[in-house]
Amino acid sequence: QLHLQESGPGLAKPSETLSLTCSVSGVSITNSNYYWGWVRQPPGKGLEWIGSVFYAGTTNYNPSLERRVSISVDTSKSQFSLKVTSVTAADTAVYYCARHPTYDYGDPCFDYWGQGILVTVSS
Amino acid sequence: DIQMTQSPSSLSASIGDRVTITCRASQFINKYLNWYRQKPGKAPELLISGASSLQSGVPSRFSGRGYGTDFTLTISSLQPEDSATYYCQQSYTLPWTFGPGTFVEVK
Repeated sequence: QLHLQESGPGLAKPSETLSLTCSVSGVSITNSNYYWGWVRQPPGKGLEWIGSVFYAGTTNYNPSLERRVSISVDTSKSQFSLKVTSVTAADTAVYYCARHPTYDYGDPCFDYWGQGILVTVSS
Repeated sequence: DIQMTQSPSSLSASIGDRVTITCRASQFINKYLNWYRQKPGKAPELLISGASSLQSGVPSRFSGRGYGTDFTLTISSLQPEDSATYYCQQSYTLPWTFGPGTFVEVK
């Protein structure tokens, strides 16, 4: 059974870097049929795709965040990570990690999600 | 970016009612439209992918239709556990974008 679990600090200071990790269990993170992504949701608002990473390191980012975001993968730990630099209160959100199939393998959709982690940006 | 809109933004219906939510894309997205249900305090759950493919384990009362720019999600017989916010999402082109959500209240 696939399980995704986010971890990291729940509080970040303005102008600092937010760092989160998603641990993957129950399936190999090196499976070539899937990407691993991050989605966020500000309190009381909708969902925003942040970006995704392939096990080999290929990344795609939302242009609205691309200058401040990086996503990396550590296959030895079965983890992938998110960094958002120069955070402001607007980055306060629940951050979800999720899996999505490649276009070649199936419908590209977020088929498995972590439970989410609330990150608050405040001094 | 492709803009996704949903209507209505909220609705209230009774147990057993048939409910339909509409999602519209600002440009052609083929069949690359997914539907999620999000209960309060929980992660979204994938219901339908590729406009009409019901995910394993999702009750058959859920169905999806559409192609191009206009899509619908129908709940044939509303149940208490369907009280949630429903989001559509396009995966035709990056950046993937979500609709603003439709809140469904079960009376």
